[in-house]
Amino acid sequence: EPEVTQTPSHQVTQMGQEVILRCVPISNHLYFYWYRQILGQKVEFLVSFYNNEISEKSEIFDDQFSVERPDGSNFTLKIRSTKLEDSAMYFCASSAQGWTVETQYFGPGTRLLVL
Amino acid sequence: DAKTTQPNSMESNEEEPVHLPCNHSTISGTDYIHWYRQLPSQGPEYVIHGLTSNVNNRMASLAIAEDRKSSTLILHRATLRDAAVYYCILRDKGGAQKLVFGQGTRLTINP
Repeated sequence: EPEVTQTPSHQVTQMGQEVILRCVPISNHLYFYWYRQILGQKVEFLVSFYNNEISEKSEIFDDQFSVERPDGSNFTLKIRSTKLEDSAMYFCASSAQGWTVETQYFGPGTRLLVL
Repeated sequence: DAKTTQPNSMESNEEEPVHLPCNHSTISGTDYIHWYRQLPSQGPEYVIHGLTSNVNNRMASLAIAEDRKSSTLILHRATLRDAAVYYCILRDKGGAQKLVFGQGTRLTINP
């Protein structure tokens, strides 16, 4: 069964450094998402992406965050200058279409630790 | 997105049925009821969704009240692998693509 993959599984960085989290969505999917989950808290939506544009973003997704689909397979989340509070699990998801009945398929996540 | 209310935690025994409730008294006519679950140290995983009628798939059944103000996810024969946090999420047919997760119900399965 096709699945969403994410790399790295774990990333440790120093505060102020840039990080890029990578995702390979399911190959025929058109909509891509990033969510994050701070330890012990809810899963929170960050951003959705379609047709090389952000279609929706949350208030968490400020100027420090950016997303890109640099080629036909990867979908990346960049955090320009990490803060301690960016420490979280980051989940990538994809769906075939953007309709609300569409299933979103999640990757296993990247655990980011900012020191 | 309309609000849902779920118990914080539930416990059941292996090989017994589990009924996970969700209240959504402010549901609108165009809201679909979705269930996702999150196994330990994994990303969320789709379980099932429905609008008005009860639904069955290989993972679970979804029973929707006639007034749609509540629903129940039914795991017919729980296994240890079903231990997870289960999220009931309402999604408006014409609304945003994002999933809005609440705290969910943490299901513990006893051997």
